[in-house]
Amino acid sequence: SQTIHQWPATLVQPVGSPLSLECTVEGTSNPNLYWYRQAAGRGLQLLFYSVGIGQISSEVPQNLSASRPQDRQFILSSKKLLLSDSGFYLCAWSRGGSSADEFLGKNIQYFGAGTRLSVL
Amino acid sequence: KQEVTQIPAALSVPEGENLVLNCSFTDSAIYNLQWFRQDPGKGLTSLLLIQSSQREQTSGRLNASLDKSSGRSTLYIAASQPGDSATYLCAVSAGNQFYFGTGTSLTVIP
Repeated sequence: SQTIHQWPATLVQPVGSPLSLECTVEGTSNPNLYWYRQAAGRGLQLLFYSVGIGQISSEVPQNLSASRPQDRQFILSSKKLLLSDSGFYLCAWSRGGSSADEFLGKNIQYFGAGTRLSVL
Repeated sequence: KQEVTQIPAALSVPEGENLVLNCSFTDSAIYNLQWFRQDPGKGLTSLLLIQSSQREQTSGRLNASLDKSSGRSTLYIAASQPGDSATYLCAVSAGNQFYFGTGTSLTVIP
């Protein structure tokens, strides 16, 4: 079965410090991977998605970057955190690689447990 | 760009009541629609997925319908229980991208 791991669960960082959040998926290959941010009282904002190693699409210009060094590893980073970067960060995966599920609309998105980031 | 709206933003009902949550989207060119549940401080759990060619899906006390032409979906919860208290989000997909509503926060009062 497939599992998704996201860590750390909570993080408190000072303004101007770097950030690295990691997400890994097990039990599947060539997944689509996603980073979302959920601010208090707001919906999920898609930050980045990736359909393969080294392929990153950014949805919103911001202080963050993403990388996919391995097939099932997705990393969210920042060189200098801002107060506005505080929020709940969620990693997710879905079947990719032009799978039949994707085109038939059977593509379920599975989420990690999230990371609560507080920038002080 | 696809926009997803959920009404109401919050809902409080007594235990045992049947209830309906609403989701609307602006672009009917979708592959599927998913309903998720999110408990406070937790990730999202997928409840139901309706493919664009389907009109409804059922799982236990949950029933989700989809009217793609009108850009609407409803999530029906029968005989609500306190354990159903959570935020419910809907999301539509177009290929490998997913668009989320802001959610409905449900409280079921014992």
